Amino acid sequence: DVKVTQSSRYLVKRTGEKVFLECVQDMDHENMFWYRQDPGLGLRLIYFSYDVKMKEKGDIPEGYSVSREKKERFSLILESASTNQTSMYLCASNELGETQYFGPGTRLLVL
Amino acid sequence: SQQGEEDPQALSIQEGENATMNCSYKTSINNLQWYRQNSGRGLVHLILIRSNEREKHSGRLRVTLDTSKKSSSLLITASRAADTASYFCATGGSEKLVFGKGTKLTVNP
Repeated sequence: DVKVTQSSRYLVKRTGEKVFLECVQDMDHENMFWYRQDPGLGLRLIYFSYDVKMKEKGDIPEGYSVSREKKERFSLILESASTNQTSMYLCASNELGETQYFGPGTRLLVL
Repeated sequence: SQQGEEDPQALSIQEGENATMNCSYKTSINNLQWYRQNSGRGLVHLILIRSNEREKHSGRLRVTLDTSKKSSSLLITASRAADTASYFCATGGSEKLVFGKGTKLTVNP
């Protein structure tokens, strides 16, 4: 079974802190994705990566950066967290065009 | 850029009834996928239907795709309380998927 894990289920941070969200997949998938999910807005793509050290902006990349140093790991970085980044963050991976496999999500609260 | 739009936004039914959710999209697709999300959890893939397919079954799930109308439907037969969740359609091009906002299904025991 494909497994996508995220480093934390719940996270509380202060405004201005640097925040790292880690995602690891064990299926050797080429593609990895970071979404945020907010009530009434659905899932919005922040960044995705189709290869190691490659990244592409999604629909809402502002305020975020990503890192993919190894194929299995995709990190989302909030350089200076703000209250409007309070959200549920979901990581996913897949092979091109196929089913995406999601992690359990990280619920981030920025105070 | 939201492509898939689910309808209805919310659906409440009794256990044993069938639930039908619809998805409409705007541009051409390679495939369309349905996902389920239990409250506060990640999404779980249910079924993928390719653009050259018209219908697909998986257990109690039946998905149809009408590319001429740019729409799909998900039917859950003989629903159970455990089917209570949000259901999302996602449309795929060559790279990323675009998700709709979901239908929230409540199955009352």
